[in-house]
Amino acid sequence: DGGITQSPKYLFRKEGQNVTLSCEQNLNHDAMYWYRQDPGQGLRLIYYSQIVNDFQKGDIAEGYSVSREKKESFPLTVTSAQKNPTAFYLCASSTRGETQYFGPGTRLLVL
Amino acid sequence: GNSVTQMEGPVTLSEEAFLTINCTYTATGYPSLFWYVQYPGEGLQLLLKATKADDKGSNKGFEATYRKETTSFHLEKGSVQVSDSAVYFCALSQFGNEKLTFGTGTRLTIIP
Repeated sequence: DGGITQSPKYLFRKEGQNVTLSCEQNLNHDAMYWYRQDPGQGLRLIYYSQIVNDFQKGDIAEGYSVSREKKESFPLTVTSAQKNPTAFYLCASSTRGETQYFGPGTRLLVL
Repeated sequence: GNSVTQMEGPVTLSEEAFLTINCTYTATGYPSLFWYVQYPGEGLQLLLKATKADDKGSNKGFEATYRKETTSFHLEKGSVQVSDSAVYFCALSQFGNEKLTFGTGTRLTIIP
């Protein structure tokens, strides 16, 4: 089955720690995206990548980093510089210019 | 810049009631418009979309018509079910721009 997988489902971060969220897709999509969702709010774009080895900042990139070494994978690192990381993180992918499809999400909590 | 304004929730309806969730947008040109649905603890699923004025998107009994003159894309369903309980997001994108702009979401609860 084609789709987008995110892991883990829940992730706990200690103060000062970097954590990495995984996103993998087997849809052969060129573009991949990371969004953050806070309670009662819409989704906000963190980073996106249109092609391997290239990515752009979204609206709220501070405190986050990404890489795109493979077409199928777009991991997101939440660094210690992100002071309010507790949120639901959603990965999406698309053929360029087409509809975005979303993964099941990772919930990040701070210990 | 682009923006999407959705009807504030939460919305609570009885089963078999008629549903309308309002969505209006601000954008230059002719954006594509989307409704996504999010069930508890899950990611977003595409519900329907429309890419040009007067197009009607439809899926699972839900419909929305792209109205350029009123910059609206209201979601409707004639008879809701308990299984329709979820959060609904209206969104837009513009050709050549990779970003989706989302509304804040509307939580819908259907009671038997």
